[in-house]
Amino acid sequence: QQPVQSPQAVILREGEDAVINCSSSKALYSVHWYRQKHGEAPVFLMILLKGGEQKGHEKISASFNEKKQQSSLYLTASQLSYSGTYFCGTETSGNQFYFGTGTSLTVIP
Amino acid sequence: ETGVTQTPRHLVMGMTNKKSLKCEQHLGHNAMYWYKQSAKKPLELMFVYNFKEQTENNSVPSRFSPECPNSSHLFLHLHTLQPEDSALYLCASSQGGTGGDSPLHFGNGTRLTVT
Repeated sequence: QQPVQSPQAVILREGEDAVINCSSSKALYSVHWYRQKHGEAPVFLMILLKGGEQKGHEKISASFNEKKQQSSLYLTASQLSYSGTYFCGTETSGNQFYFGTGTSLTVIP
Repeated sequence: ETGVTQTPRHLVMGMTNKKSLKCEQHLGHNAMYWYKQSAKKPLELMFVYNFKEQTENNSVPSRFSPECPNSSHLFLHLHTLQPEDSALYLCASSQGGTGGDSPLHFGNGTRLTVT
């Protein structure tokens, strides 16, 4: 029931773009995205709700394809501070909420 | 300073010890959670409390015992743990519910090592 994230790891140079995908085998009601830096707490990035509403605190964009049961996180013009592990969390029917396995993102100068 | 505070940050305990993890949130949220984070595994939900009532126990062994005396405090009591219980234990809070449109706010976690 947990969502599958891809890729598992990615290395970027500063200024490059990246896309992280999150796929579910079940119909989705909402998708959360979090970033966790080493030794720190996961930090909320964005929520995408069924119907298209988005709630976020940072200038990071994401998409939510209800039909395909997946979400993608878009990181453009990456900065060194973007490094960390990105997790998606998905809510399915019955208020079931599961996190994905994470995508390790490393931005190098 | 994070709105969710966890203590201690690190804990080493023997298999016969009894210890407790503490979590406090200063965000006025109604729901609190315990998650376990092990290497190479997704975050695993352990317990959920909504308005101090336990609404979810995700098949967690009885050697883990949660306590939520009020909506701002959450404890995880540990006894007779196994080495495989070594992990990072994260506390989180949200406005309410079990996900949905309420973001989770995490503490920095307690790194637990069972020897």
